[in-house]
Amino acid sequence: SQTIHQWPATLVQPVGSPLSLECTVEGTSNPNLYWYRQAAGRGLQLLFYSVGIGQISSEVPQNLSASRPQDRQFILSSKKLLLSDSGFYLCAWTDRPHTDTQYFGPGTRLTVL
Amino acid sequence: GESVGLHLPTLSVQEGDNSIINCAYSNSASDYFIWYKQESGKGPQFIIDIRSNMDKRQGQRVTVLLNKTVKHLSLQIAATQPGDSAVYFCAEIRYNFNKFYFGSGTKLNVKP
Repeated sequence: SQTIHQWPATLVQPVGSPLSLECTVEGTSNPNLYWYRQAAGRGLQLLFYSVGIGQISSEVPQNLSASRPQDRQFILSSKKLLLSDSGFYLCAWTDRPHTDTQYFGPGTRLTVL
Repeated sequence: GESVGLHLPTLSVQEGDNSIINCAYSNSASDYFIWYKQESGKGPQFIIDIRSNMDKRQGQRVTVLLNKTVKHLSLQIAATQPGDSAVYFCAEIRYNFNKFYFGSGTKLNVKP
């Protein structure tokens, strides 16, 4: 069966520090991968999605970036965090991009102080 | 712009009653819809889906209704239980854009 992992689960970082969040998927090949951010009490905002290694589409211009160095690995990064980057970050995947459901990881709670 | 939204931000029901959570969408070309449940501090979990060529689909204690005429989606939960307390999101999928669009969510509170 397929599983999706995210780490760390929680993170507290000072403003201006770098960020690296990792997401990995097991049990599938060539998934579509997604990064979302969820502010407290709000809906999901799509940040990036990837249809293959090295292929990243950005949905929202900001100080975040994403990379996909391996088929089942998706990384969210920042060189300098802002207070507004605080939130709950979710990674998701779809097995067959046009016919299947999107499944979510457990999320990373990021607090920028 | 195009969006998926929910009518009620919070819904309180008595344990054992039926719950109905509503969602409106704006793009009549959407292909597929999903309801997700998100418990506090966790990622969303798939509940039930429906394709645009259907108007009703039933699962275990849950039913999704799709009214394409008014672009409305609803989730019905039968005999609501305390474990159903969570935030429920509807998601709209447009295959040609390979994207999922999520509503802001409705918080369901089940009172014992």
